[in-house]
Amino acid sequence: QLQLQESGPGLVKPSETLSLTCTVSGDSITSSKSYWGWIRQPPGKGLEWIGCIFYSGSTYFSPSLKSRVTMSVDMSKNQFSLKLSSVTAADTAVYYCARLSSGWSWGQGTLVTVSS
Amino acid sequence: QTVVTQEPSFSVSPGGTVTLTCGLTSGSVSTSNYASWYQQTPGQAPRTLIYNTNSRSSGVPDRFSGSILGNKAALTITGAQAHDESDYHCVLFLGSGVWVFGGGTKLTVL
Repeated sequence: QLQLQESGPGLVKPSETLSLTCTVSGDSITSSKSYWGWIRQPPGKGLEWIGCIFYSGSTYFSPSLKSRVTMSVDMSKNQFSLKLSSVTAADTAVYYCARLSSGWSWGQGTLVTVSS
Repeated sequence: QTVVTQEPSFSVSPGGTVTLTCGLTSGSVSTSNYASWYQQTPGQAPRTLIYNTNSRSSGVPDRFSGSILGNKAALTITGAQAHDESDYHCVLFLGSGVWVFGGGTKLTVL
């Protein structure tokens, strides 16, 4: 059974870089031929697609976040990661990782708060 | 910049039928937008209901169906039940690898 688990600091200071990792179990990042993505949800607001990555390293990002986002894959650990630079309070959100195959499969999400 | 639109809120009576829509501020939604629908209750991760416009995700009751209605994607819930009261989110593929969510619809069953 596929499971995705987000991990990383729950508190990040303004202007610093937010870093999250998604650990995948029950599927291989390299063999599923799926894109793996990140979605976020600010408190009380809707979902926002951040971007996605293929195991080969091919990436697509939201135009509004593209300048601040990087993603990577660690095939040996069956993980993929998100980095968001120069964060502000507006980046405070629950961050979800997901497998973007037919019928997205979601992690449980992790709250990241940007505050000094 | 193209925005994905959803009704902010909707209400339906128990046992009734409701259709939520997902549109574009520029252009029409087609099957090429691979519309997907997600149900979310407070504090929980979204649950996939519909993908690729009209494919039902595993375990989703057939009371939920997806379609294209006019120039929008649509999610229809028949025989609404109290536990259908949730936020419903749609997402559309806009090409060049980019997906965009709508603002979500808060559905009340009363």
